Amino acid sequence: GENVEQHPSTLSVQEGDSAVIKCTYSDSASNYFPWYKQELGKRPQLIIDIRSNVGEKKDQRIAVTLNKTAKHFSLHITETQPEDSAVYFCAASILTGGGNKLTFGTGTQLKVEL
Amino acid sequence: ETGVTQTPRHLVMGMTNKKSLKCEQHLGHNAMYWYKQSAKKPLELMFVYSLEERVENNSVPSRFSPECPNSSHLFLHLHTLQPEDSALYLCASSYGLAVYNEQFFGPGTRLTVL
Repeated sequence: GENVEQHPSTLSVQEGDSAVIKCTYSDSASNYFPWYKQELGKRPQLIIDIRSNVGEKKDQRIAVTLNKTAKHFSLHITETQPEDSAVYFCAASILTGGGNKLTFGTGTQLKVEL
Repeated sequence: ETGVTQTPRHLVMGMTNKKSLKCEQHLGHNAMYWYKQSAKKPLELMFVYSLEERVENNSVPSRFSPECPNSSHLFLHLHTLQPEDSALYLCASSYGLAVYNEQFFGPGTRLTVL
């Protein structure tokens, strides 16, 4: 089955700096890569996603890049703010007989310090 | 409340108890999911339902028994659980099983098995 690895597990940055979180996946058939943000005590929420036919996607301060050849994708957050502090999960999706099956990474705890 | 709701939010049970977790979605979706979130581990997909029919059982022990009486409600019946089953159980829903459909998560039920 699909295996998603995510690094780093924790990341501390100063407010205003950039943060980068990297993920790799194993199944070349995966074709959709969402990123979820989970604030402390709250539910995971989708913040950005990318399809396999696109190399990069940007939404204001966040961007995601995908390298299908190397099977890795990354989340970039620029001009970080304290409210960006949360756990970020990457995921890879593959269409199976059971539909859309998401395999998640282990998460990155991002801390934005003042 | 809108979106995906889960009850109870916290549950403590002994290994011989029987309890049920409830999930309700108010989004008009027709696919629902159960995930397990343990500390330091990725979200693990447990079950997938589409139009009240189970389409995925991700090798989950039989002490977890899902039920989907209609497309808005999903239950997880628990019996004879083990301490290692203590975790956050998240419900999610999506509009169909297509790979690009966003999954919306509920707030989760924090389960502690004594």
